[in-house]
Amino acid sequence: DTEVTQTPKHLVMGMTNKKSLKCEQHMGHRAMYWYKQKAKKPPELMFVYSYEKLSINESVPSRFSPECPNSSLLNLHLHALQPEDSALYLCASSQWTGGNQPQHFGDGTRLSIL
Amino acid sequence: GESVGLHLPTLSVQEGDNSIINCAYSNSASDYFIWYKQESGKGPQFIIDIRSNMDKRQGQRVTVLLNKTVKHLSLQIAATQPGDSAVYFCAERGTGKLIFGQGTTLQVKP
Repeated sequence: DTEVTQTPKHLVMGMTNKKSLKCEQHMGHRAMYWYKQKAKKPPELMFVYSYEKLSINESVPSRFSPECPNSSLLNLHLHALQPEDSALYLCASSQWTGGNQPQHFGDGTRLSIL
Repeated sequence: GESVGLHLPTLSVQEGDNSIINCAYSNSASDYFIWYKQESGKGPQFIIDIRSNMDKRQGQRVTVLLNKTVKHLSLQIAATQPGDSAVYFCAERGTGKLIFGQGTTLQVKP
């Protein structure tokens, strides 16, 4: 079982809906990440949080809005998404952003936009 | 630019044989490399990592080899089992981010 927990596991939403993806870790990690993964492709980085502050935004459209309420939680707020946003959204965490230590991934939220 | 690639999109091996999955990287300044295993419906699972000051690291049934001269990384799986069937990604730490290769699908034949 993964130590990074993501909810919900599946989400179907219309293009006008507002929803949120949630991620939680209790490993004491201070870096958290959102990735997007399309079928048969590698994960693509979206956002990086370091000590609850946004440190990297990979030019992600504003319809994706990340939030880090505390060191254990990471949210991704979704609004007015497009069909091409359908994908697996992965959360990951690591001890910190620098240094040589791996990121640990959750099992993702599979998002379908109607 | 930075890129990490794998030589083969699919590798098919017989159960019990050894598997070798290869990865080429382009950034000679990269100092840390990771192998992940991703099973269907799951997130990437950490397998093993290696720092650039090493050329070999062993885990349980897995070995990672790093050849900095030719910028090549490989994952060796001993006595491959059906449970090893998955997509394997190499990842390179560059400019503060992980850069993933395209992935190799390992199929284990009974």
